[in-house]
Amino acid sequence: QKEVEQDPGPLSVPEGAIVSLNCTYSNSAFQYFMWYRQYSRKGPELLMYTYSSGNKEDGRFTAQVDKSSKYISLFIRDSQPSDSATYLCAMRHNYGQNFVFGPGTRLSVLP
Amino acid sequence: GAVVSQHPSRVICKSGTSVKIECRSLDFQATTMFWYRQFPKQSLMLMATSNEGSKATYEQGVEKDKFLINHASLTLSTLTVTSAHPEDSSFYICSATLAGGNTGELFFGEGSRLTVL
Repeated sequence: QKEVEQDPGPLSVPEGAIVSLNCTYSNSAFQYFMWYRQYSRKGPELLMYTYSSGNKEDGRFTAQVDKSSKYISLFIRDSQPSDSATYLCAMRHNYGQNFVFGPGTRLSVLP
Repeated sequence: GAVVSQHPSRVICKSGTSVKIECRSLDFQATTMFWYRQFPKQSLMLMATSNEGSKATYEQGVEKDKFLINHASLTLSTLTVTSAHPEDSSFYICSATLAGGNTGELFFGEGSRLTVL
């Protein structure tokens, strides 16, 4: 079993839809959870960062962490064509410097 | 957010030559920088962890003599691809964490696309 699993997609949705992106993980030691957006041929851009369990909202983006289920989600409301990108989840332990990335989900928001 | 600058963004070189890629943290000090390689439509593959003032820690399967990493200061790490060959063509991305911080945030550079002819 991979340490972090993420559906690679591609996921296509119409403009304005609510998008749900998810990752599952196996290591209960992970404490810090992040979502990155990566446009083609660009470096990943940090979207959301969450510590431990709970929700965090920033504009159209909401990140949720359920440590009991080892499941994290990123919701995008009112999706726009400019949201079309690959979304990577990432997580790390509470100690040390090991960041582990999911394989990424390719999202296409169709106008 | 913190800014990480990577240069060059694109480089084309002949087989057998060496190429240096720079990664700079512009507005913060980075004790640790990471170098990744990414193939088309695939996720990030960690190559090595670079700590300021010490030798880099390479991931299994990454040739340390092939990919030389130097982290001479808290704001600069370099990756040198030595004697490059076409199979080294890839997208290389660096990232950095804040010195003294344990918040978990990781900031990426814009990436460098290497094409070896």
